[in-house]
Amino acid sequence: EIVLTQSPGTLSLSPGERATLSCRASQRVTSDYLAWYQHKPGQAPRLLIYGASRRATGIPDRFSGSGSGTDFSLTIGRLEPEDSAVYYCQQYRHSPWTFGQGTKVEIK
Amino acid sequence: QDTLRESGPALVKPTQTLTLTCTFSGFSLTSSGVSVSWIRLPPGKALEWLARIDWDDEKFYSTSLKTRATISKDTSKNQVLLTMTNMDPVDTGTYYCARMSVTSYPPKAFDVWGQGTVVTVSS
Repeated sequence: EIVLTQSPGTLSLSPGERATLSCRASQRVTSDYLAWYQHKPGQAPRLLIYGASRRATGIPDRFSGSGSGTDFSLTIGRLEPEDSAVYYCQQYRHSPWTFGQGTKVEIK
Repeated sequence: QDTLRESGPALVKPTQTLTLTCTFSGFSLTSSGVSVSWIRLPPGKALEWLARIDWDDEKFYSTSLKTRATISKDTSKNQVLLTMTNMDPVDTGTYYCARMSVTSYPPKAFDVWGQGTVVTVSS
């Protein structure tokens, strides 16, 4: 089973700042099968990025993904108050599919 | 518009069997490349993928749930069911179903989710 480790656990930043979230896999993940989700309390998770770097439909361009092999990252270019959420990475190439433990982004 | 909606009991007792239903619309689980998964979020913890059923009835399970879970589909009703036996308080959480389609490349991961249903396991 591929273990995804996200860091940091919590990120506390001000509006307008840049956020960089990391996702490290215990073994190589095919880039085409790495996704990022945003999850707010009481809501369904929302797909942000798939294929490591492709934005899902309707996602603002301040969200970007990159990486390959075992190291991936999600960058939020200019934080807005509504970006406060937990962000998860997920690999969906090797069964069982797995999620990281999440990074909580707090807006000061 | 493609949608999914979860339903099931809000409270189950330890050792009981839980059955959750995911009712979907806007797409077909008979179309090649389409799958529906169950994912849960225990309180204070992370998302956990549980099980998946594909358009061709192939099934996959998480390592932790493999012996307790059964996923099935009823294509005539546009439903996917998840049955979990021997429920325990650690199974408490919000349960989601989500759609993935591999008809495009790269696959767009879980692009449509239900709103989730809360399940509490307690005597």
